[in-house]
Amino acid sequence: QQQVKQSPQSLIVQKGGISIINCAYENTAFDYFPWYQQFPGKGPALLIAIRPDVSEKKEGRFTISFNKSAKQFSLHIMDSQPGDSATYFCAASISNFGNEKLTFGTGTRLTIIP
Amino acid sequence: NAGVMQNPRHLVRRRGQEARLRCSPMKGHSHVYWYRQLPEEGLKFMVYLQKENIIDESGMPKERFSAEFPKEGPSILRIQQVVRGDSAAYFCASSPLGELFFGEGSRLTVL
Repeated sequence: QQQVKQSPQSLIVQKGGISIINCAYENTAFDYFPWYQQFPGKGPALLIAIRPDVSEKKEGRFTISFNKSAKQFSLHIMDSQPGDSATYFCAASISNFGNEKLTFGTGTRLTIIP
Repeated sequence: NAGVMQNPRHLVRRRGQEARLRCSPMKGHSHVYWYRQLPEEGLKFMVYLQKENIIDESGMPKERFSAEFPKEGPSILRIQQVVRGDSAAYFCASSPLGELFFGEGSRLTVL
């Protein structure tokens, strides 16, 4: 199974709060899990990524938590700001001699309100 | 250092016409990927190319769609005899190996 399931579809968080987006996958061969941020009319931009040898990765206000046994990973945005309002996509891929073919989730539209 | 360049940014075609979308990868990148994004959906992989070679076209529709990445010039995604269901945003990404860098997309509207 190549699917990556993402939830919620949309999320509203107050400024300063924590935004949490979840993803689940079926294919145990996936070994690279990035999160992308997309603003309207723009292309996706890599936000943060993790490999399954660690359970957590933090970069600034963004943290990925990874649960290999549950086949789930999540993005946490701490101290959410209005500028974080965007659509977020999780993705997964199998490292394959440079073929970075990503399977994307369906996206979460995040809105940060004052 | 210019990013991934895609053109046209917007393209309108009538049913039955051809659409050609172009992608110039970042300097030094020799791997190009094409993805399609339907409204309110995630991106779907279409094809992965290196210079003069199609490496993985498992996401390409069997008919009407083709892609190339010639030795000189941009990568081109070609859609023949477009139908309304082809209306979408088409994103190109390039990679040196590892992280994908996406362009801003070409938005195709089929009337």
